[in-house]
Amino acid sequence: KAGVTQTPRYLIKTRGQQVTLSCSPISGHRSVSWYQQTPGQGLQFLFEYFSETQRNKGNFPGRFSGRQFSNSRSEMNVSTLELGDSALYLCASSKKGGQGVDTIYFGEGSWLTVV
Amino acid sequence: AQKITQTQPGMFVQEKEAVTLDCTYDTSDPSYGLFWYKQPSSGEMIFLIYQGSYDQQNATEGRYSLNFQKARKSANLVISASQLGDSAMYFCAMREGGTGNQFYFGTGTSLTVIP
Repeated sequence: KAGVTQTPRYLIKTRGQQVTLSCSPISGHRSVSWYQQTPGQGLQFLFEYFSETQRNKGNFPGRFSGRQFSNSRSEMNVSTLELGDSALYLCASSKKGGQGVDTIYFGEGSWLTVV
Repeated sequence: AQKITQTQPGMFVQEKEAVTLDCTYDTSDPSYGLFWYKQPSSGEMIFLIYQGSYDQQNATEGRYSLNFQKARKSANLVISASQLGDSAMYFCAMREGGTGNQFYFGTGTSLTVIP
């Protein structure tokens, strides 16, 4: 059974540019959430999508956005990149979207460096 | 206030010995789930164990067990018979009932297993 797949794995962008990261959840999983991990702030929740609807949103500026497609695949976009956006971006999926033991399974992440 | 607190930035353990990683949590929601994840240097977050707030018994998964003390709001991870491959970052996380799949993570504990 394939795990959560994130692309690209590594990328370097320049300040002011925008970036789109992609996530394919485990087959049958309908919930996709995104996290930003940095040495200073740790793991922070960005947003969660369930059946193409954003269900939760973390405390991030509007430059961070996302969407989910009918096949549950998700993308997140960061516009007007800042140096502080350099981070590991982790995507996670779950089957039932937050019930009981329904855990989230993470992808390997996308390492974004902003120069 | 922090939802999840991990007070041990780094821990060392001798191979084949047991080690306890501390985690305390803060929530007023009676329904919540507690999770532990392992993050090797590759970056992928690996699910280890889950404890529900209504579970009467401590969770166990192979060499991992969760010492759940509800009144003290602690959910310590115990790894028995440590192996060199256990060297990694360990994160405690919580999901509150009704929040979908929004997880709150601690700052992590770096575990090093010494041969």
